[in-house]
Amino acid sequence: QQQVKQSPQSLIVQKGGISIINCAYENTAFDYFPWYQQFPGKGPALLIAIRPDVSEKKEGRFTISFNKSAKQFSLHIMDSQPGDSATYFCAAKVETSGSRLTFGEGTQLTVNP
Amino acid sequence: KAGVTQTPRYLIKTRGQQVTLSCSPISGHRSVSWYQQTPGQGLQFLFEYFSETQRNKGNFPGRFSGRQFSNSRSEMNVSTLELGDSALYLCASSVLSIQETQYFGPGTRLLVL
Repeated sequence: QQQVKQSPQSLIVQKGGISIINCAYENTAFDYFPWYQQFPGKGPALLIAIRPDVSEKKEGRFTISFNKSAKQFSLHIMDSQPGDSATYFCAAKVETSGSRLTFGEGTQLTVNP
Repeated sequence: KAGVTQTPRYLIKTRGQQVTLSCSPISGHRSVSWYQQTPGQGLQFLFEYFSETQRNKGNFPGRFSGRQFSNSRSEMNVSTLELGDSALYLCASSVLSIQETQYFGPGTRLLVL
């Protein structure tokens, strides 16, 4: 059973635009929600993460919005740049039960110059 | 500080063979997790080791096994390889098992013919 659903599967944005990727989860025990960025030939790298006691977290051009009642969270990339072109994964885990991450399906982002 | 290293980076095997992949975590990290990444199934958790003990196991058949050594290095083994085992195998490490950021290695690309 897929516990984290991610959309869209692919996204094309113009340079300077806003990229928005959405995720929805089912397991209400999840209490840690990271986003990972993966370039071809590389492992995923942590971008930003949020816990459900806050509704928004911003780090530079990256913002996570979190809606606990709707069990949804999203990644916003402001002023998108060609260097942001990568695959983005949302993930979730229950913090007290180890390192096990449940990942979304991934979004292939292309930022055109 | 050196990142997570995985060896080998690429591997070609034939059906029925077995394979062993190695992961060296970041110095000081005691938790190592393994993930399988495929285009169809995405990123799926295999297992986690902490202080030489398996803490969590994903939904994979018994052909997939692992271990962790006293220096925190980890190996995973896949016996009786099947075509569907072709994937990128990722290792991630963190200082502790809970409430810690995980750092991924570049992965081992396994092709089963």
